[in-house]
Amino acid sequence: NAGVTQTPKFQVLKTGQSMTLQCAQDMNHEYMSWYRQDPGMGLRLIHYSVGAGITDQGEVPNGYNVSRSTTEDFPLRLLSAAPSQTSVYFCASRTDRASEQYFGPGTRLTVT
Amino acid sequence: RKEVEQDPGPFNVPEGATVAFNCTYSNSASQSFFWYRQDCRKEPKLLMSVYSSGNEDGRFTAQLNRASQYISLLIRDSKLSDSATYLCVARTGANNLFFGTGTRLTVIP
Repeated sequence: NAGVTQTPKFQVLKTGQSMTLQCAQDMNHEYMSWYRQDPGMGLRLIHYSVGAGITDQGEVPNGYNVSRSTTEDFPLRLLSAAPSQTSVYFCASRTDRASEQYFGPGTRLTVT
Repeated sequence: RKEVEQDPGPFNVPEGATVAFNCTYSNSASQSFFWYRQDCRKEPKLLMSVYSSGNEDGRFTAQLNRASQYISLLIRDSKLSDSATYLCVARTGANNLFFGTGTRLTVIP
């Protein structure tokens, strides 16, 4: 199993550009989540999904969209990048709400 | 107020030392608790869950005090490979995992 994969590993955007961060898992996990990690802030939940076709907002959803058309994939879209979105983004998945969460390797995003 | 608070450290300890980290959580409805380990520029990985009665995994012992709303992690006989950032996590509800900012540990030869 590859586990949770994320692409790209690094990305630099200009303010106003849009892009999609990709996330995929091959463990047949129902739950998938996107987090951002900033110095002094810890990991914060952006959006999550409890199954294909079901998504919901987390703690910091503004400026991001998600969709879950398949169990495997959970892309995160930045609609109009802002410098405040400079961060490290982690995708995660787990079997159910109580189980261990597996993280992808992260995407380091810089918005200039 | 943050949901989960940790002392950011850094903790610099010699090999073989015992070190303890504490963490407090603000929501008394939190149901599950975990310690994750994060190496520099890597993703977090589960170290251990924390059970009400306390639990041990080798050199690591985790404890939960619901009355005081704090969680602790004790590392005995520290190894160089224990150097990392340790994240305290509390789960509230179906999908609300709240992460602390992490405590950085450096084990010195």
